[in-house]
Amino acid sequence: DARVTQTPRHKVTEMGQEVTMRCQPILGHNTVFWYRQTMMQGLELLAYFRNRAPLDDSGMPKDRFSAEMPDATLATLKIQPSEPRDSAVYFCASGDTSSTDTQYFGPGTRLTVL
Amino acid sequence: GQNIDQPTEMTATEGAIVQINCTYQTSGFNGLFWYQQHAGEAPTFLSYNVLDGLEEKGRFSSFLSRSKGYSYLLLKELQMKDSASYLCAVKRWDSNYQLIWGAGTKLIIKP
Repeated sequence: DARVTQTPRHKVTEMGQEVTMRCQPILGHNTVFWYRQTMMQGLELLAYFRNRAPLDDSGMPKDRFSAEMPDATLATLKIQPSEPRDSAVYFCASGDTSSTDTQYFGPGTRLTVL
Repeated sequence: GQNIDQPTEMTATEGAIVQINCTYQTSGFNGLFWYQQHAGEAPTFLSYNVLDGLEEKGRFSSFLSRSKGYSYLLLKELQMKDSASYLCAVKRWDSNYQLIWGAGTKLIIKP
C-alpha cells in the first residue's frame, strides 16, 4: 500500500528555533508539493518539485523557509527561525506526471510555535 | 484572475443526496479534481474530470462542463462518515500543471 510519509507528525517548538520537516514521496512519483493549511487561509502551495528540480517556491517566505530534495526519496522543508504565525499543518503530496498527476497527500505535520 | 468558488457549508440528511457545486475562472484548464478531507486529516483523492460529462464511482459522481466553468460532486445515500470538507481544485497547464484550490465546502450530515 503505497503512501506518502511525513515526519514528525507533531512538533511544538519555541519562537526562534529551527524546524525541519521530512517527506518520503510514493516510490516512482516524480512531483512533490509542500502545502500549508490553516483555518483562515486554506491550502497554500509553498514549494513544488518535478524530477527533484524546484519549479515554484513563490508561495514560500524566502527569508525563513527553504525546501530541498536531496534525493528522490526525501524532501525537506525547513523554517529558521520559526515564528508563532508559522503554526499550521504542513502537508507533503506527491504525484506522477506520466499519468494524471493526481496528488496524494501525506498525513501532515502539525506545527505549533510558541 | 484565477478563481474557484464553492459554498462554504452545506447540511444534508443521512440517506439523502447532496450536490456540491464548484465554479472556476482560470486560464490553462487541464482538469478538475475533487478531494475529501475529514477534520484533522489529510485530503484524499475522490475524482478527476478532464472531459465534459459525468464520472461515476460508487456513491460519488463528479460532473464537468468546461464551457460553463462548472463542476459538481454528487453524493448519494449519505452516511454519517461523509461529514467532511470537500475541496475542488483545477489543474493549469500554463502554471507548470499546478493546482488552484477552492476553499472547500464543509458538509454536515444530520441523522
